[in-house]
Amino acid sequence: AQKVTQAQTEISVVEKEDVTLDCVYETRDTTYYLFWYKQPPSGELVFLIRRNSFDEQNEISGRYSWNFQKSTSSFNFTITASQVVDSAVYFCALSEAQQAGTALIFGKGTTLSVSS
Amino acid sequence: DAMVIQNPRYQVTQFGKPVTLSCSQTLNHNVMYWYQQKSSQAPKLLFHYYDKDFNNEADTPDNFQSRRPNTSFCFLDIRSPGLGDAAMYLCATRGLGMNTEAFFGQGTRLTVV
Repeated sequence: AQKVTQAQTEISVVEKEDVTLDCVYETRDTTYYLFWYKQPPSGELVFLIRRNSFDEQNEISGRYSWNFQKSTSSFNFTITASQVVDSAVYFCALSEAQQAGTALIFGKGTTLSVSS
Repeated sequence: DAMVIQNPRYQVTQFGKPVTLSCSQTLNHNVMYWYQQKSSQAPKLLFHYYDKDFNNEADTPDNFQSRRPNTSFCFLDIRSPGLGDAAMYLCATRGLGMNTEAFFGQGTRLTVV
């Protein structure tokens, strides 16, 4: 069975602090995909990044970086020099490659609050 | 330009009164999903379509139905809404390739009074 665990329910930081959001996943498949989405107060889920199970390269995009480690089944997300606009709920998600149309399974989300 | 559009953004319905939420997409994606998201919880998959093939999650109540008349449109019908059905309903689409993300609409927030 597939499962995504985001152990941190809420994180509060002050602007310019770095923050890491943890994600641990479980799957029996050897081929799978991992995602991070941001959900601001407006409600729409905004795609941030995807990673397939064969690509363990870490990625940096501006202030965002992602660390994928298959050995620990983790796909952690770091925001450097956080800003108030980063305040949102962040979801990690997993999709197995069993068949076309397989849905994304989400973790429970981490609410990030960045204060000025 | 919005690619997945949900209408309405906010919907208030009476207890037991049927309600329909709509979703349209301009991406021509084969797959469309409906998720239910209650306050401070993860989105929960209700069902999805792969083209016209309908896939219902095992724990989706019978009270929830869906229609997909064509590629662009998908509807969520709640036959007899209860207070527990108050939630944000998210529609999403996805292309055929597995290495693709899902695109979400802005959601419809349903209130049951």
